[in-house]
Order: sequence, then structure tokens, then C-alpha cells
Amino acid sequence: GAVVSQHPSRVICKSGTSVKIECRSLDFQATTMFWYRQFPKQSLMLMATSNEGSKATYEQGVEKDKFLINHASLTLSTLTVTSAHPEDSSFYICSSIGAGRTDTQYFGPGTRLTVL
Amino acid sequence: GENVEQHPSTLSVQEGDSAVIKCTYSDSASNYFPWYKQELGKRPQLIIDIRSNVGEKKDQRIAVTLNKTAKHFSLHITETQPEDSAVYFCAASTGNQFYFGTGTSLTVIP
Repeated sequence: GAVVSQHPSRVICKSGTSVKIECRSLDFQATTMFWYRQFPKQSLMLMATSNEGSKATYEQGVEKDKFLINHASLTLSTLTVTSAHPEDSSFYICSSIGAGRTDTQYFGPGTRLTVL
Repeated sequence: GENVEQHPSTLSVQEGDSAVIKCTYSDSASNYFPWYKQELGKRPQLIIDIRSNVGEKKDQRIAVTLNKTAKHFSLHITETQPEDSAVYFCAASTGNQFYFGTGTSLTVIP
């Protein structure tokens, strides 16, 4: 299957700082990328849908000014958690859908964010 | 928006027995229903999927059934093995977005 990488895999930061997470599709063009948040022992919560070259579509309740998403190319999307607080600590996972496909999504390995 | 419910939340079975996980969805426009297996701290892995024009699909020990009228779909694992232990998520999609069920923690007891 397609390969999606995510960087960093783990990050620990101080409260008030910003953290950028990168999601890359390594062997296909990802026209659409999704960002999910997952709390321990809970399901994946869709945060936003990111289409290359356009603004991300955020799910209800997700603050767009706090979770900045940029999808500048067909292989890279970034999620920036601005002014992070301890309650932002979570597992963040991206996924990609390839050009010409409207269903099968490929997940990145996830990023464990811990805000002190 | 779409609402996906999943049951049970936890499931324990003896090795060799079958396991069934059920999901319901609310949006009749959903037409793609994947199932994912997620081990602790790792990414979800697609194990099987079904589209709305099909009622059943099977891949070795894993099968999925879909009832569009009732808006529910189920995952069936036969001859369970300890390595099947994981959290399983169903999802429903219209093609533009994916909505996940709450997950089922499956434990296969050797």
C-alpha cells in the first residue's frame, strides 16, 4: 500500500509554545489529507480535511486559529498547534487519499504530543 | 453530519472462536465502509472494506456484511488467534470525509 510518513513521532513542549507536525505522502500524490486526534483508548476524531492549494475545512468545535493546517503541495500537509496547552496533549494522526481515489485512506504513524 | 455507533466496546473470545463487531451509521449518503485494526500506539491499518453496492465481502478469516436499508454493517472474524487482539474501528464515508466508530477492544484468550 501507499506510504505516509509523519514527523516528529514524539514531541514534548512547554505550555505556550507552538508545534508543527508534518505529514508526507511518499509515493503518491495526496489530493486530500485528513487530520485526526485520538485520546487514549478512544476513537479517531476528525479535526479537518485538507485539500491541496485550498483552505482546510474544519470540523465543528475545532479551532482553526489554534490548529493551523497548510497543504501547500500534493505530498505535504502540516498541522501547527499554536500556543499549546496541556489539554492539547494527544495522539495526532494524518491520513491521505491519492489522486483519482475517493475512498481508501492511508494513515501516517502518528505524533504523540505532550505539553507540559 | 454522520454519526457512527459501534458495539461492543470490549470483546473477549477464546482462541478459535468467532468475533462479531457491529456498527450503525446515520447518513444514507455514506457509501464506503472500511474497517481498521489498530495496535497500541500505532497507526490504524485497513483490514477490509465494503462499498454500498455490495452486501458481503470476505477475505480469508475476515468478512464484512452491509445492510443499507437498516444502515448497519458488521465485521466477522472467524477462528480467532491471539494476534487478532487489538482495537478495531469501523468507519463510514461519503468519499469526502471519514467518520469513525468508537472502537472495540478485542482480546483473544489463548
